[in-house]
Amino acid sequence: DQQVKQNSPSLSVQEGRISILNCDYTNSMFDYFLWYKKYPAEGPTFLISISSIKDKNEDGRFTVFLNKSAKHLSLHIVPSQPGDSAVYFCAASASNSGYALNFGKGTSLLVTP
Amino acid sequence: GAVVSQHPSRVICKSGTSVKIECRSLDFQATTMFWYRQFPKQSLMLMATSNEGSKATYEQGVEKDKFLINHASLTLSTLTVTSAHPEDSSFYICSASRTRDRDVYGYTFGSGTRLTVV
Repeated sequence: DQQVKQNSPSLSVQEGRISILNCDYTNSMFDYFLWYKKYPAEGPTFLISISSIKDKNEDGRFTVFLNKSAKHLSLHIVPSQPGDSAVYFCAASASNSGYALNFGKGTSLLVTP
Repeated sequence: GAVVSQHPSRVICKSGTSVKIECRSLDFQATTMFWYRQFPKQSLMLMATSNEGSKATYEQGVEKDKFLINHASLTLSTLTVTSAHPEDSSFYICSASRTRDRDVYGYTFGSGTRLTVV
């Protein structure tokens, strides 16, 4: 069963605007969340993470928001750039079950000039 | 930042042969390594979790006799696909972590291995 869900397979945003990628999870034991960027035939590249004790983490153009009560997190990219075009994966892990990352199916972001 | 080297990046093998994929953490000691498999346009599916010096823990549906994992040191884990068949063709990715310090070290991924079995 898919414990991490990214319900939007694709997103198109104009350069300079905000990109918002969403992720939902079902396992309440998840306590650490990450976002990765990935290109075909390459490994995922880490973008930003957040612990369950926080509700926001910011790093440059990237901000992750966590809403534990809704079991929802989102990644905001501001301003979006054409180089941000890639597939973005949301991942979550639980410290009480092996720490392995559970991935969503990804959202393909296209930033147009 | 943390670097994980995975090789080979691509391998083509004949059906029935075995293939070994290496995953090395270059600048940190990884207590745990994870092996994933990704089908085209699909998510990364966890195959197994490997802790240094102990047997790997396989996910349900993953044949441990087919996908042999060895984690002999804190910097090296190997995945051997034994008696490969065309349906084993996939993209395999490793990840290394110091899980108890994940807030600091996070999870670093290798660049992946494209396996094609002919």
